[in-house]
Amino acid sequence: SQQGEEDPQALSIQEGENATMNCSYKTSINNLQWYRQNSGRGLVHLILIRSNEREKHSGRLRVTLDTSKKSSSLLITASRAADTASYFCATVQGGGADGLTFGKGTHLIIQP
Amino acid sequence: ETGVTQSPTHLIKTRGQQVTLRCSSQSGHNTVSWYQQALGQGPQFIFQYYREEENGRGNFPPRFSGLQFPNYSSELNVNALELDDSALYLCASKLSGRGNYGYTFGSGTRLTVV
Repeated sequence: SQQGEEDPQALSIQEGENATMNCSYKTSINNLQWYRQNSGRGLVHLILIRSNEREKHSGRLRVTLDTSKKSSSLLITASRAADTASYFCATVQGGGADGLTFGKGTHLIIQP
Repeated sequence: ETGVTQSPTHLIKTRGQQVTLRCSSQSGHNTVSWYQQALGQGPQFIFQYYREEENGRGNFPPRFSGLQFPNYSSELNVNALELDDSALYLCASKLSGRGNYGYTFGSGTRLTVV
């Protein structure tokens, strides 16, 4: 079963604009991760935020985590055409033996 | 680093047949997990192996089974294939035991059951 939901399901913006995607989840977590997937191929790990962290940055990416609301957001600044992809949040519970629990993803299209 | 490699990339099988998918983990990674991704959906966790032992399993029937070998490569076996098993199967590896790290994914095997 899916742990959470990404919002929006699809997002289309102009190159250079910022893109924000949200993720909600249902149970307590150890950490939350964001992945990118191009054209139905393998996923690429973008960033991991631990349950005791509130914000994390990596290059043009900014992730926030609100454990009281069970939600996270991913901000991509100064978007590029190459950022066009599907973005998934995934949670890890407890010791991680249950692998990653993914949402359904946000499909991001960057218009040149 | 060689990354995670999966084989084959595409496969067509007939309903009722059996299939074995293979995964070579990233060098140094001791944990491998498998996921099923239907079209338009997020990946669903099948199971995870740590040092050759299954240590986690998702909501998949017993006809989905796996192995992890001493060199940390692994296999996913599916028996009695059903049409709904058609999906992208993803393998992911990581190094467990040293803090929190993300997984490295392979490019997947696209399985079509007819």
